Amino acid sequence: EAGVAQSPRYKIIEKRQSVAFWCNPISGHATLYWYQQILGQGPKLLIQFQNNGVVDDSQLPKDRFSAERLKGVDSTLKIQPAKLEDSAVYLCASSSGRGPRTDTQYFGPGTRLTVL
Amino acid sequence: GQQVMQIPQYQHVQEGEDFTTYCNSSTTLSNIQWYKQRPGGHPVFLIQLVKSGEVKKQKRLTFQFGEAKKNSSLHITATQTTDVGTYFCARPLGSSNTGKLIFGQGTTLQVKP
Repeated sequence: EAGVAQSPRYKIIEKRQSVAFWCNPISGHATLYWYQQILGQGPKLLIQFQNNGVVDDSQLPKDRFSAERLKGVDSTLKIQPAKLEDSAVYLCASSSGRGPRTDTQYFGPGTRLTVL
Repeated sequence: GQQVMQIPQYQHVQEGEDFTTYCNSSTTLSNIQWYKQRPGGHPVFLIQLVKSGEVKKQKRLTFQFGEAKKNSSLHITATQTTDVGTYFCARPLGSSNTGKLIFGQGTTLQVKP
């Protein structure tokens, strides 16, 4: 079974530029998450999708971050314009979304963003 | 609040020594999950504990969930260099089963060969 795929793996941009990240979850997984992981900290949830609908985006800085999952499979996360403090690893995770318990989340390799 | 506190933040051990990390919550948890992140890698699910007082073992790793379901621990017996990484506990956000997790800040383990 293929894991969660993300691209690009690394991205370096200057502040005020735009950047987009792509995620392809495990096949059949209904739930998709985007996390931000700043160096030395645990992952912080940005947004959660169930199929193509947003379940929770309360932690997403909506003035500059946006995310979509139009067909309920792949997802993109965009930052426009980027700030220095956005430098972090952006992790995508997916889960089956079917269990009565908290589902196991499977993480992708992440995109390491450096904003100069 | 809904945060989970992990201690210690860092631990350096000699290969063969034991290691324990603790995860504490001020509120009762429905369950707790543990993840491992190797340097430069991504979090990988290790285990989920649900029952009060539950103890689960995976080879040299022993996971415990407190009787009050407010704390958990991960103990590694006779560490090896392959155990190097950051260990995170994660709790569900809120009381409903929405799948959202709050991660602790992690305990980073260094093993000297």
